[in-house]
Amino acid sequence: GAGVSQSPSNKVTEKGKDVELRCDPISGHTALYWYRQSLGQGLEFLIYFQGNSAPDKSGLPSDRFSAERTGGSVSTLTIQRTQQEDSAVYLCASSLVARETQYFGPGTRLLVL
Amino acid sequence: ELKVEQNPLFLSMQEGKNYTIYCNYSTTSDRLYWYRQDPGKSLESLFVLLSNGAVKQEGRLMASLDTKARLSTLHITAAVHDLSATYFCAVDMRIGNEKLTFGTGTRLTIIP
Repeated sequence: GAGVSQSPSNKVTEKGKDVELRCDPISGHTALYWYRQSLGQGLEFLIYFQGNSAPDKSGLPSDRFSAERTGGSVSTLTIQRTQQEDSAVYLCASSLVARETQYFGPGTRLLVL
Repeated sequence: ELKVEQNPLFLSMQEGKNYTIYCNYSTTSDRLYWYRQDPGKSLESLFVLLSNGAVKQEGRLMASLDTKARLSTLHITAAVHDLSATYFCAVDMRIGNEKLTFGTGTRLTIIP
């Protein structure tokens, strides 16, 4: 079946602009996660959704970052007023239920100029 | 705060040789995952280890978990070029803290 999909695959933006990253989880997966991968910081957790609720937002680095999930499916990660340090690969993962194996999407490579 | 350390960070080995990647974590956990990442690609799930003494094997890769020592190993037997990738371990602490905390990754290069 279809895996986790993310769009866009690449995004180049100017400092100060807002960006939206989209994640389509595997159908039927109730848990959805966002991570960020960068050279300096490795793989970092950002936020976890169970259904449409976000019980753990502890990894969001600043209030410029927000995320939502609608219909228990698609999720959008929004970064406002982007900064150069936001440049990274943003990975989305989903699992059937929490604490089961997480399956990762291909990622969105964000470059802030 | 949970810390997950892997070593080595870089590993270059010849085809046909055996080697082990180590993953240490700092806090009690009962779930440990191994993922593989090819350059420019996303993460592929390899193993999930759920209990002390758990051992999983797939082809030339074997993973084990010692929860008392807070240590997992990924053993590579008779390495082949196709195994060249970066390998990550990741720890899931407990119910109520469902995020994965990843190790630094081990970049494995198999030399013909």
